Amino acid sequence: GAGVSQSPRYKVAKRGQDVALRCDPISGHVSLFWYQQALGQGPEFLTYFQNEAQLDKSGLPSDRFFAERPEGSVSTLKIQRTQQEDSAVYLCASSPYGRGARYEQYFGPGTRLTVT
Amino acid sequence: AQSVTQLGSHVSVSEGALVLLRCNYSSSVPPYLFWYVQYPNQGLQLLLKYTTGATLVKGINGFEAEFKKSETSFHLTKPSAHMSDAAEYFCAVSGGGNNDMRFGAGTRLTVKP
Repeated sequence: GAGVSQSPRYKVAKRGQDVALRCDPISGHVSLFWYQQALGQGPEFLTYFQNEAQLDKSGLPSDRFFAERPEGSVSTLKIQRTQQEDSAVYLCASSPYGRGARYEQYFGPGTRLTVT
Repeated sequence: AQSVTQLGSHVSVSEGALVLLRCNYSSSVPPYLFWYVQYPNQGLQLLLKYTTGATLVKGINGFEAEFKKSETSFHLTKPSAHMSDAAEYFCAVSGGGNNDMRFGAGTRLTVKP
């Protein structure tokens, strides 16, 4: 019964290392979103995919952040040369519809990234 | 641009008491409004949503919210709190052609026995 899954659930990286976070959305879902949730805060939008097309990456905080969804299903968020301020929970969400964020999103459990 | 303000980062109620979590939004277009709940180490789960139509929206677990355009509010209520309601609650807004959903900072609900 598959909900949205994310891996790894926890990641510790040394400053300067590259990391890759994986999201498996619900099968058939058209839309996929990535969010960054800092401690004690609400999720902040990073990027949006409609199928394989990245339609919005306005929330990516720097060019060290890169996301892809090459076949319109699994997505990877990559962070290069990690910094301490990148420490957060990274949430992935999917939706069966296109047209952005108008509809309910189904969230994964998140990946907690700690940069030391 | 859209934004959400949740009044009160922490709310504490007694079991059986009314739950009221406040949310005010700002939007230049007709908003789509959502309440999500987050339990520890879990993703967000939708409680309820308002898109169009009836302004009183009922959700899961006995929660409901009322969209009040004149007050730009979408407060979440539950008549009688249960211990299992203890969690973090997030109000969110989207709308127009936006691809992003804007979340409030969250309200942590504690339920005392």
